[in-house]
Amino acid sequence: AQSVSQHNHHVILSEAASLELGCNYSYGGTVNLFWYVQYPGQHLQLLLKYFSGDPLVKGIKGFEAEFIKSKFSFNLRKPSVQWSDTAEYFCAVNARMDSSYKLIFGSGTRLLVRP
Amino acid sequence: SAVISQKPSRDICQRGTSLTIQCQVDSQVTMMFWYRQQPGQSLTLIATANQGSEATYESGFVIDKFPISRPNLTFSTLTVSNMSPEDSSIYLCSVDSTDTQYFGPGTRLTVL
Repeated sequence: AQSVSQHNHHVILSEAASLELGCNYSYGGTVNLFWYVQYPGQHLQLLLKYFSGDPLVKGIKGFEAEFIKSKFSFNLRKPSVQWSDTAEYFCAVNARMDSSYKLIFGSGTRLLVRP
Repeated sequence: SAVISQKPSRDICQRGTSLTIQCQVDSQVTMMFWYRQQPGQSLTLIATANQGSEATYESGFVIDKFPISRPNLTFSTLTVSNMSPEDSSIYLCSVDSTDTQYFGPGTRLTVL
């Protein structure tokens, strides 16, 4: 069965530190990859996505992610975090099957950025 | 991206009762989805609701417990039936737009 693993459940950083959140998936077919963010008290928002082409994708608010097919990974990065990046981050994989598809989420990573 | 609203935003219900959650989208969409996010956990897909067909439920979710309606291309409802405290969760609807899902604000349900 398809699955998504986020190895870091809680991350605490100081402002200006660099961020990398890991995401690995298990699915042998074609996948679309996503990172979503949920700020405190807000709804789930799309941060960035990868469908094809350049494996390094850039999203909103300075975030980027790199798709490494050989490692089944799609890690999220940001060179310098801000206090406002405090949120929960979810990696998701869209595994297409026949005419439908299913979005599978990782368990999420709670990021706390200290000012 | 689509603008999605849900009603109610939150509710507190007694066990044994039912609650219907509404999801409204500002544009016509083919595929709508219902998810559950239990406290401190990730999102789990309940069912996929396409207009004009029966909803497709994921393993562990059944129509008698979570009946879904999809009367048109901009609206869907999810009913949580015969509720128990274990049904306390956030329920979210999402829509597909060019193979990307966008989420509503969620309905926070507490069952006493």
